[in-house]
Amino acid sequence: AQTVTQSQPEMSVQEAETVTLSCTYDTSENNYYLFWYKQPPSRQMILVIRQEAYKQQNATENRFSVNFQKAAKSFSLKISDSQLGDTAMYFCAWSGTASKLTFGTGTRLQVTL
Amino acid sequence: NAGVTQTPKFRILKIGQSMTLQCAQDMNHNYMYWYRQDPGMGLKLIYYSVGAGITDKGEVPNGYNVSRSTTEDFPLRLELAAPSQTSVYFCASSYLTSGGAGGELFFGEGSRLTVL
Repeated sequence: AQTVTQSQPEMSVQEAETVTLSCTYDTSENNYYLFWYKQPPSRQMILVIRQEAYKQQNATENRFSVNFQKAAKSFSLKISDSQLGDTAMYFCAWSGTASKLTFGTGTRLQVTL
Repeated sequence: NAGVTQTPKFRILKIGQSMTLQCAQDMNHNYMYWYRQDPGMGLKLIYYSVGAGITDKGEVPNGYNVSRSTTEDFPLRLELAAPSQTSVYFCASSYLTSGGAGGELFFGEGSRLTVL
């Protein structure tokens, strides 16, 4: 079975600074997708970024980028120029060909002034 | 465009009662999912559907039932509610072509269920 591990239950970063959230996963599949979802206090799940495992280039979406290391099964999220609105729970997730997401336990990020 | 709509948003049940969580999407997505989120945990898949008339179990299906009679609707039925089913429930949908994977999931706002 696939597992997703987020080893940082909570993190804090000052506004305008950069923070990196860690994620590791375990799978025997070769073709899969990785995601970072954001869950603000409103509870709404919002897709932040997606990475296809067959692509070597790291995905980037504005201030959000990933460091995908397939051999190490690592998928970290970097948030640059952190903003107060980035305060949320962040979930790493894995999806194989069956398109069912397996989620990590989340990292609570607090952005402070 | 409403996206994924879940009702009710909050509900308190007594042990042994039954209820149905409703989920509807207006994006013509073929895949639909039900997840539960326990406090401090990630989301766990209860059931999913790849199209009308087709459903399958996820990681934690016990105590739940689903049906998918139309593309738009995917209700989740709780029979004989137990305190262990106290959780936040999320419905989601995605569009995937045949054999495809990795599509973005669009989530509803969640339904908080408490069983006392």
